[in-house]
Amino acid sequence: GAGVSQSPRYKVAKRGQDVALRCDPISGHVSLFWYQQALGQGPEFLTYFQNEAQLDKSGLPSDRFFAERPEGSVSTLKIQRTQQEDSAVYLCASSSVAGPSEQYFGPGTRLTVT
Amino acid sequence: DQQVKQNSPSLSVQEGRISILNCDYTNSMFDYFLWYKKYPAEGPTFLISISSIKDKNEDGRFTVFLNKSAKHLSLHIVPSQPGDSAVYFCAAKEGNTNAGKSTFGDGTTLTVKP
Repeated sequence: GAGVSQSPRYKVAKRGQDVALRCDPISGHVSLFWYQQALGQGPEFLTYFQNEAQLDKSGLPSDRFFAERPEGSVSTLKIQRTQQEDSAVYLCASSSVAGPSEQYFGPGTRLTVT
Repeated sequence: DQQVKQNSPSLSVQEGRISILNCDYTNSMFDYFLWYKKYPAEGPTFLISISSIKDKNEDGRFTVFLNKSAKHLSLHIVPSQPGDSAVYFCAAKEGNTNAGKSTFGDGTTLTVKP
């Protein structure tokens, strides 16, 4: 079956622009996660949804970052007024249940802010 | 303060030999641990996991060992194959929480030489 897909795969934005990154999780997966991965580092947690409810947004670095999953399926991560330090790979992952289980990752969106 | 640490950025082994990747954690609330494998331009792929009630979990060529008192886990790959060459991430969860978010180490790049 289809895995987690993300679009766009690459995004170049000028500093100050707004961007929207899309994640299509595996069909039927309850949990959806966003991570930020800087070069040479591991993924860092941003936010977590269980169905349409955003249960944890403690990892969002500033109020410029906003995520939504209005119908409990597709999710969008929006970054307003992008800064150079936002340059990273943004990974989306989904899992079939809440709690301890493996996550299925998408290929990521590489965001470069110039 | 990094809660999950992979102190070896890289490891090189000969095909057919054992690869041992190490991971240390500081948060005693972690009770579920996972290893992910990542190829370039792809998202991490789940490899193997272990609950804190166990000290060993085996799946084919892959075995994960957990030493709770030392807050240390390791991934053994035997025999190593060239296709195992990838970045390996250790991840940890507080399994009983609803969040289910994972905390990742910075990864170890494994190179298996033919």
